[in-house]
Amino acid sequence: QKEVEQNSGPLSVPEGAIASLNCTYSDRGSQSFFWYRQYSGKSPELIMSIYSNGDKEDGRFTAQLNKASQYVSLLIRDSQPSDSATYLCAVNSGGFKTIFGAGTRLFVKA
Amino acid sequence: NAGVTQTPKFQVLKTGQSMTLQCAQDMNHNSMYWYRQDPGMGLRLIYYSASEGTTDKGEVPNGYNVSRLNKREFSLRLESAAPSQTSVYFCASRDLRVSNQPQHFGDGTRLSIL
Repeated sequence: QKEVEQNSGPLSVPEGAIASLNCTYSDRGSQSFFWYRQYSGKSPELIMSIYSNGDKEDGRFTAQLNKASQYVSLLIRDSQPSDSATYLCAVNSGGFKTIFGAGTRLFVKA
Repeated sequence: NAGVTQTPKFQVLKTGQSMTLQCAQDMNHNSMYWYRQDPGMGLRLIYYSASEGTTDKGEVPNGYNVSRLNKREFSLRLESAAPSQTSVYFCASRDLRVSNQPQHFGDGTRLSIL
C-alpha cells in the first residue's frame, strides 16, 4: 500500500516566523511531488510542485525534496495569518493515481 | 478560465433518495477523479477514470456509481443515499499526456443526508 504520511498538527507559528511542514512517502518509484493548500470549507489549491532532489523556491514558499530519504518538505517564510490553512502533500507514483497525505493544519498567530 | 466545474455546490437529501453529482473540465485532461472529504479528514478516492470510456474503483466505492460521459464530464451517482454519505465531494482532473502533472480540483459539492 503506497502511503504518504504527514503530521496532522496543528502547527502553530507566530507571524513572521518560518513554518516548516514535512511529509514522507513509501514508494521509492515516486516521480513527482506536490503541495496543496486547503482553506477551511474550500477545495485544495496547488501551490508547489517539485520533481528533482534539492530546493525549489517560489516567493515565500520553498519545497525541498530528498528522494534517498523519501522526504518532502515545505517551508513558508515570513508566515502570515492568511497562511493559516491545511497543507496537503501529494505524490504521483506513476500510473493514474495521486496519493494524498491527510494534511497538516497550520495556524499563524498575529 | 473555468477549470473543473462541479454542480450543485450544496444539496440536502433524505435517506434513500438518489442524486447525481456533475463534474466537467475544460482543460482537455484525460483522467478524472471523485473524492470525498469528511470533517478533519483527508481525501478518500471513490472512483477514477483514466481515460474516456474507462472507470475504476478507488478505496471507498461502495454506495456509488460513476459515468464518464465523454472526455469532459464525469458524474457520480448515489442510488440510495445514506447518512454515512454526508460529506464534501471533490472532483479533480489530471493531464496524463504530460508526465508529472498535478491534479486540479473543483470547488466541491457539500452534501447532507438526513
